[in-house]
Parts: sequence; C-alpha cells; structure tokens
Amino acid sequence: NAGVTQTPKFRILKIGQSMTLQCTQDMNHNYMYWYRQDPGMGLKLIYYSVGAGITDKGEVPNGYNVSRSTTEDFPLRLELAAPSQTSVYFCASSSRDRGLSGANVLTFGAGSRLTVL
Amino acid sequence: GQQVMQIPQYQHVQEGEDFTTYCNSSTTLSNIQWYKQRPGGHPVFLIQLVKSGEVKKQKRLTFQFGEAKKNSSLHITATQTTDVGTYFCAGRNSGYSTLTFGKGTMLLVSP
Repeated sequence: NAGVTQTPKFRILKIGQSMTLQCTQDMNHNYMYWYRQDPGMGLKLIYYSVGAGITDKGEVPNGYNVSRSTTEDFPLRLELAAPSQTSVYFCASSSRDRGLSGANVLTFGAGSRLTVL
Repeated sequence: GQQVMQIPQYQHVQEGEDFTTYCNSSTTLSNIQWYKQRPGGHPVFLIQLVKSGEVKKQKRLTFQFGEAKKNSSLHITATQTTDVGTYFCAGRNSGYSTLTFGKGTMLLVSP
C-alpha cells in the first residue's frame, strides 16, 4: 500500500516549457487535490476532483490544467511555465464516506519541487 | 471567501517549554483539522475536531475547538526536539466543501 505517489520529486523548467506532474493513489479514494506551497504561505488549492471525470478549480487555478480519467490518477499540467510557478506541489487524496471518522482526512504525497528559470 | 488565520507565524522554544498555536476562521466551521509537516516533508494528519467546545489529547498535544466553532488551538506540553516542524490548521465550511489551510506555525525547539 503505497498511499499517494508523486513524480517527479524535482524538476527544473525553462520559462515557456510544459510539463506534467503525476499523481497516483492506491487507496480507492474518490477525492483528489493539488496544492502548491510557497514559503510562509501555507497550502493553496489549485484544482480538485470528487471522482473520475469530474474536476473543479480551487483558489489558484490559473496556469494549470488537470484531468481525472481514472480513480487512481490525477495529473497536473503546466502549459507555459512561468517563474511564479516555482513552488512545491503536493497531491493529496481523501475518502468521501461520511460515516467514517476519518472521512475527508487528507493523505499527502511526498511533494514535487519545481523550479522555473 | 473563507479565511483561516494562524498565529504565531514562527516560534522558537527551549526543549521542555510549552508551545501554543492559534487558528481563527472568518466563518463558522463544520470541522477543523490539524496537520504537521516536518522540515522537507509533507503534511501529515494529526487530528480532526467536529463538536463545539471539543477538546482532544494526543500524549503531550492538546487540541481545542472553540464554542463558536470559529477558532481552535494546539498546545504542546514540554516540547521535545521531535516536535520541530510546521503545524497547520485547516478548516471546512460544510461537510463537502474543500479545506482552507492556515499559513502554519513553524516551531523550532532547541535542546
């Protein structure tokens, strides 16, 4: 049981390049999320998904795209990388069952550190 | 939109001293969660509070949820070097809304 797996762990991009951050979870969680973390700024929600085929914008979606074709995978795409997207990106997942005390508790991946130069 | 404010932003204590971080929401919350992030690591869930006035303990950690469900606190008794990290609170408006995280309190403990 690996939990939430993110790749790559580190990446350096040039301005204008594109890339996809991969995220997969093996806990059969319905909910998946992408956050970015900048120093001293906490965690900002980029996009989230409540199930396969459904995605929604979070607080800071501009410059990013997501898809959710399966329950397990939730990739985050940067189309035209900008220095402002230099950050640590965390993928997370949670279950939906209201009957469980652990419902909606986030399990995070190890993070992907992205630098745009 | 909902805002969750956390203070202090940073605290440096000597090992054995107590530590408290406070979390305040601009709106009434359905529940609040606390996470800990070790340096270089990822956030890890600590606890969830749901009821007004709820108090929960985990060994040396005490979590409280305010009566109005708009504020919360985390108190660590007799800190240890293993407590080093950033503590985040995260609030939810309703059962199905997304979590809004505070900016976190970074705790440094000197031996």
